[in-house]
Amino acid sequence: AQKITQTQPGMFVQEKEAVTLDCTYDTSDPSYGLFWYKQPSSGEMIFLIYQGSYDQQNATEGRYSLNFQKARKSANLVISASQLGDSAMYFCAMREKLPGYALNFGKGTSLLVTP
Amino acid sequence: GAGVSQTPSNKVTEKGKYVELRCDPISGHTALYWYRQSLGQGPEFLIYFQGTGAADDSGLPNDRFFAVRPEGSVSTLKIQRTERGDSAVYLCASSWGAGQPQHFGDGTRLSIL
Repeated sequence: AQKITQTQPGMFVQEKEAVTLDCTYDTSDPSYGLFWYKQPSSGEMIFLIYQGSYDQQNATEGRYSLNFQKARKSANLVISASQLGDSAMYFCAMREKLPGYALNFGKGTSLLVTP
Repeated sequence: GAGVSQTPSNKVTEKGKYVELRCDPISGHTALYWYRQSLGQGPEFLIYFQGTGAADDSGLPNDRFFAVRPEGSVSTLKIQRTERGDSAVYLCASSWGAGQPQHFGDGTRLSIL
């Protein structure tokens, strides 16, 4: 069964607008972590933001914030004030204890920021 | 540089050949992971090292795949008798410890003809 679900294959947003990328997850591990990574066309995976399952507050990193709704098992990424350089693939990932705290990735959302 | 380094960046070889992919993690990072990313998909876990030992290799698809990290730093992913289905980008990531944010290299794009 898919552990991380990203339902939006592609998204468009206009420059300077905010955009929300959806992510839902499935786990029975009480201790887990949720991550978002950005992958530009050049291929590198860039860590954006992290939320631990026991964290009380939503994580924020600059223009990125994570809307963590534990009961709904969702961890949406919000990008505020979009920039042209934000155009990329975005992956949601979950870390559980097994296997070895490795990341389990979703299929990704392709974001295109238009002028 | 200070990041995770992977070599080669591209590798093209014929079906049936043996390949080695190298990963040099961030200095001091004890945890090292290998992932495989097929076109249009997210990365999939292959193997995890904590120090020198393979702590979890449950993601390796079959016994043609093997990885080592003999001194707890550089790791090599080895693929024997390559098949066309092995074509993918192989990503290496390292972190301070298991569960910490992982930092990825730029990957090795492997093409099997």
